[in-house]
Amino acid sequence: GESVGLHLPTLSVQEGDNSIINCAYSNSASDYFIWYKQESGKGPQFIIDIRSNMDKRQGQRVTVLLNKTVKHLSLQIAATQPGDSAVYFCAEAQYGQNFVFGPGTRLSVLP
Amino acid sequence: GAVVSQHPSWVICKSGTSVKIECRSLDFQATTMFWYRQFPKQSLMLMATSNEGSKATYEQGVEKDKFLINHASLTLSTLTVTSAHPEDSSFYICSVRNPGGWVNEQFFGPGTRLTVL
Repeated sequence: GESVGLHLPTLSVQEGDNSIINCAYSNSASDYFIWYKQESGKGPQFIIDIRSNMDKRQGQRVTVLLNKTVKHLSLQIAATQPGDSAVYFCAEAQYGQNFVFGPGTRLSVLP
Repeated sequence: GAVVSQHPSWVICKSGTSVKIECRSLDFQATTMFWYRQFPKQSLMLMATSNEGSKATYEQGVEKDKFLINHASLTLSTLTVTSAHPEDSSFYICSVRNPGGWVNEQFFGPGTRLTVL
């Protein structure tokens, strides 16, 4: 089955610490993965993506890790800031097919 | 990334009325747009794929006669919620597929919050 859940786990981190948000995907044929950030009342905002032929990709303060063996995706945010507080969604896609979004994780940054 | 706009950003309507939501691709021509629905504290659920010049493709469980989609131009897709009821209250988000990029690149609009009284 595809991973779409009804619960919203929460991750609380201290400002300045690193955050790690995890995502398990379900389709072993998925070849493209994306992390989105969604602030309250707004549409999803692209953060970083990775294709299945890679296992790591870095952006500005963010790193995405892909482990295809266990179908696991993670988003690492370095030096977490208050502005990083939001809900983070992973999405998986297969070539030519539509996105499937994960259930999301709420990141709360504590002062 | 692409700039996608939605109008209105928030609409409140009476039960039984119809509401039209517009999605515009502002900086490239989008042959494919997507409509999602998001209930509070839940993930995005794909409702339908809107294809310019042809009928939309609806996901299983989505009533095509209730959620009318029109994609008459390469920059505009509209979603009309007909005879809206309180259970249709949700956050509706559109996205456009970048025709020139990786086949699955999508850019999302800011969303439209629909509240049905």
